[in-house]
Amino acid sequence: DQQVKQNSPSLSVQEGRISILNCDYTNSMFDYFLWYKKYPAEGPTFLISISSIKDKNEDGRFTVFLNKSAKHLSLHIVPSQPGDSAVYFCAASGDTGNQFYFGTGTSLTVIP
Amino acid sequence: DTGVSQDPRHKITKRGQNVTFRCDPISEHNRLYWYRQTLGQGPEFLTYFQNEAQLEKSRLLSDRFSAERPKGSFSTLEIQRTEQGDSAMYLCASSLPVGISYNEQFFGPGTRLTVL
Repeated sequence: DQQVKQNSPSLSVQEGRISILNCDYTNSMFDYFLWYKKYPAEGPTFLISISSIKDKNEDGRFTVFLNKSAKHLSLHIVPSQPGDSAVYFCAASGDTGNQFYFGTGTSLTVIP
Repeated sequence: DTGVSQDPRHKITKRGQNVTFRCDPISEHNRLYWYRQTLGQGPEFLTYFQNEAQLEKSRLLSDRFSAERPKGSFSTLEIQRTEQGDSAMYLCASSLPVGISYNEQFFGPGTRLTVL
């Protein structure tokens, strides 16, 4: 039962343009949402997070938007850079943080 | 390097053998997680420790799997009587207590298990 879904396995974007990665979830009890970036042969690296009490969180070129009514979150990267090419995972947890659910990932390619 | 470390990085074993993996979390992190990741999938939660106490276990963690975290420091994940379906990347992550750095997990590089 996939509680966190990333329906786009891959995305290609021109350098300098906006990258938008999407994530949907099914469990309304999720309280905290995170995005991770993963390069080959490395573990995931934390990128940005958002609590369910907010609808937007921004950190430099990265912004995460949360739409609780739609159970949807998105990650915006502006401007996209070739070094952003990686697999991006969204993840969700309840308020205890004892268990996390990850999506299947979206492979982003930023074309120079 | 003060990140999360895992050992070994790669393990090839024959079906039916037992294997053990080790994770050393960041020293001040009291929360430790094990995940399994197969090709084309995201990390799947296996188990969670707060200090030395194992507080959560996924139903994915069959009775062939056992995890420990003695003294609340490093952790080990043992798989007994390995099966080909156990072939995966096993990831360890650690984090600070909730309220200090909410839920930001730091992952190790993983141990890639291949069962022949």
